[in-house]
Amino acid sequence: DVQMTQSPPSLSASVGDRVTITCRASQTISNYLNWYQQKPGKAPKLLIFAASSLQSGVPSRFSGSGSGTDFTLTISSLQPEDFATYYCQHSKWMFGQGTKVAIK
Amino acid sequence: QVQLQESGPGLVKPSGTLSLTCAVSGGSISSGKWWTWVRQAPGKGLERIGEISYSGYTNYNPSLKSRVTISLDKSRNQFSLKVTSVTAADTAVYFCARVLDYYGSGSYGYYLDSWGQGTLVTVSS
Repeated sequence: DVQMTQSPPSLSASVGDRVTITCRASQTISNYLNWYQQKPGKAPKLLIFAASSLQSGVPSRFSGSGSGTDFTLTISSLQPEDFATYYCQHSKWMFGQGTKVAIK
Repeated sequence: QVQLQESGPGLVKPSGTLSLTCAVSGGSISSGKWWTWVRQAPGKGLERIGEISYSGYTNYNPSLKSRVTISLDKSRNQFSLKVTSVTAADTAVYFCARVLDYYGSGSYGYYLDSWGQGTLVTVSS
């Protein structure tokens, strides 16, 4: 199985900050990479699929990039409702271990 | 907008069988390329369990494969999960989700677009 490694495991940021989360695959996976947001006690929510395609209804401050083995999720201006844990996933298979975004 | 709802016992005894059902509403189960189960142990990350296609093909996480069965009931618009020989390590919130596909660089990619709210299953005597 392809292993997915996210970094950092957690970060602290302020409202308005630009936040970047990285996901690295153990072998090349083209653009088969998705990003999800999960808030406590809730199901994950799809943000980005195919590495850079924004899911319908997701704010444009979220963006994804990358191909091959290295991928990035960027939040251009962090909003109060964005404090959550973010997961990458290779297609419908392995998830990354998550990145918790907390309030500084 | 399709909606998914998990149901099943919240408490299972060690060595017993965990059985959950995911009911699909607001759309046909044929709307999904695959249907999947994901779990999350308390305070931990997401773990893929496995998935079933509308045609009935299944894929399972190798770490769970010997104990897991996923099935599909088209007439009831639902799919199910069974995990045998459970231990405390199987205590988790179990989510069901719909898997859609897209054609990428020479093959299909997939993503989980709709999720159930999740149901907590505790393994304890």
